[in-house]
Amino acid sequence: DTAVSQTPKYLVTQMGNDKSIKCEQNLGHDTMYWYKQDSKKFLKIMFSYNNKELIINETVPNRFSPKSPDKAHLNLHINSLELGDSAVYFCASSQDLQGERSYTFGSGTRLTVV
Amino acid sequence: AQKVTQAQTEISVVEKEDVTLDCVYETRDTTYYLFWYKQPPSGELVFLIRRNSFDEQNEISGRYSWNFQKSTSSFNFTITASQVVDSAVYFCALSEVKTGGFKTIFGAGTRLFVKA
Repeated sequence: DTAVSQTPKYLVTQMGNDKSIKCEQNLGHDTMYWYKQDSKKFLKIMFSYNNKELIINETVPNRFSPKSPDKAHLNLHINSLELGDSAVYFCASSQDLQGERSYTFGSGTRLTVV
Repeated sequence: AQKVTQAQTEISVVEKEDVTLDCVYETRDTTYYLFWYKQPPSGELVFLIRRNSFDEQNEISGRYSWNFQKSTSSFNFTITASQVVDSAVYFCALSEVKTGGFKTIFGAGTRLFVKA
């Protein structure tokens, strides 16, 4: 029943490792997003994908690479993790690029880099 | 430059009071979108509303209402007869249309405490 599901919910890893966060939506939405929320609760959009195509890549280090194998999935791969990458990462989807009618978030993945 | 200001860091009210959360934005674009999101203590993000720059009609959804005023670049959010479940951090966001997509920035958030 879960509309937007992210895994894992928690991720603790050492600096320098590579990790992935997976996101899947079963809403039939065309657009998916990744957001980052840091320890001070500041929110920032990282990526937007529409029909598997990258639409927005905000100022994000290229250690972050999103992958969208199909419309229902948008995974986030992070190389060479740094302490500053510790944050909560939210996946979201919307019916269209404008997000007019429906905008749904996953429950978040708390990443801790030690 | 694109900017979103939520001047109220924290607001504390007693249940059944009305409360207004302010959001002031800056943009040079004529086409843009404004959003409000809610983040309750459990941490999930909830989308509340999206408004485009050409639609200044105010919106009401139950106890929630939004007042969009282009003349003052504000998109304020009012909760009528607040309830304890309204306690959350509320984020305002501005999205500008750019080549290839959108650029979105968020305000710093307003933490609302509603006491029983």
